[in-house]
Amino acid sequence: AQSVAQPEDQVNVAEGNPLTVKCTYSVSGNPYLFWYVQYPNRGLQFLLKYITGDNLVKGSYGFEAEFNKSQTSFHLKKPSALVSDSALYFCAVSKTGSSNTGKLIFGQGTTLQVKP
Amino acid sequence: EAGVAQSPRYKIIEKRQSVAFWCNPISGHATLYWYQQILGQGPKLLIQFQNNGVVDDSQLPKDRFSAERLKGVDSTLKIQPAKLEDSAVYLCASSLEGGWQIGVEQYFGPGTRLTVT
Repeated sequence: AQSVAQPEDQVNVAEGNPLTVKCTYSVSGNPYLFWYVQYPNRGLQFLLKYITGDNLVKGSYGFEAEFNKSQTSFHLKKPSALVSDSALYFCAVSKTGSSNTGKLIFGQGTTLQVKP
Repeated sequence: EAGVAQSPRYKIIEKRQSVAFWCNPISGHATLYWYQQILGQGPKLLIQFQNNGVVDDSQLPKDRFSAERLKGVDSTLKIQPAKLEDSAVYLCASSLEGGWQIGVEQYFGPGTRLTVT
């Protein structure tokens, strides 16, 4: 069965410091991987995705993520955190191939708190 | 372009009552998804439509939940009768037709927060 794990319920970082939000996945075959962000009382907002190719993908608001196939991980990173980055972050995976319906399997979410 | 629209934004009902949610996807998006997000958890897919046909409803509790997308555009999700455990945010998302085949991202609406008392 497909699954996504975000091992940290909350990540705290000081403004200006680098941040990492961790994600590991379990899916047969090659996955599509996504990061979404959710601000209070708002829907999920797409940040970035890995489809194929370069393992380092860049997305919105200065975020990037590194796909590591051997470790089945897709960690979200940013070199310098902003207070406005404080939000709830979700990692998601979908299967590729003929059985793929686009269904996203989400992790449980990680709250990022950036302090001034 | 306008985003995914959902209404109402908030709804409070008593258990055993019925409720309906409405979603209008982004113009031109043929694929529509309904997710349930329980507090503290990630969204879980309830049903996926391609135009007005169902692609995946394997996790929809069909004894109480129903959804339709009659004209292939907007959609309604209904719960009848509601249970306490249905308290959640119901998110609608849309994507380009067949977008899942090439990993196209989904666009989410603001959600409807349902409280069942």
